[in-house]
Amino acid sequence: GEDVEQSLFLSVREGDSSVINCTYTDSSSTYLYWYKQEPGAGLQLLTYIFSNMDMKQDQRLTVLLNKKDKHLSLRIADTQTGDSAIYFCAETFSGGYNKLIFGAGTRLAVHP
Amino acid sequence: DGGITQSPKYLFRKEGQNVTLSCEQNLNHDAMYWYRQDPGQGLRLIYYSQIVNDFQKGDIAEGYSVSREKKESFPLTVTSAQKNPTAFYLCASSSSGRVNTGELFFGEGSRLTVL
Repeated sequence: GEDVEQSLFLSVREGDSSVINCTYTDSSSTYLYWYKQEPGAGLQLLTYIFSNMDMKQDQRLTVLLNKKDKHLSLRIADTQTGDSAIYFCAETFSGGYNKLIFGAGTRLAVHP
Repeated sequence: DGGITQSPKYLFRKEGQNVTLSCEQNLNHDAMYWYRQDPGQGLRLIYYSQIVNDFQKGDIAEGYSVSREKKESFPLTVTSAQKNPTAFYLCASSSSGRVNTGELFFGEGSRLTVL
């Protein structure tokens, strides 16, 4: 079945780069997503990548996709305290309309 | 401003009571979803609706019910049959346009606590 896995916790120093990793199982996923959730709030889309791309860059964010290994990563350059949040990786569910399968989320803690 | 509104933000319920969580969107989206979030488990799909008057069970539908009488509204009822209802509930919607990245737009969530 479909599954998305992420490590649960990452701690980085302010100003360093953060790399959050994700593995997924559905090779037919059309899009893969990174969502951000701040405490007590809903999820906001950070970025997404189409499955025929290897890399996408958007300001401080870089997404890398390795389709062979079914591995997705999100790199945040110059991490700031405002980046502290939970980051969810998600893939489209090939068997259903606009259904997304989410990972458990990686809690990013940024310390001075 | 367009968006999704969930209410109430916090809700307390006694065991054996049914409660209904409201979700309204003014994005003109066809599809709407309810997810449940528990610590360390990510989001799990409860119900989804692709169009008015139609909805399908997700992965954890037992103990929940929904209706979709209007395009902009998708209320979720947590019934007394739900064994462990304390959780954070998230409503989402998505477009069904031709150029469709499948992006979900989320509300701010409703936290239900059973006393």
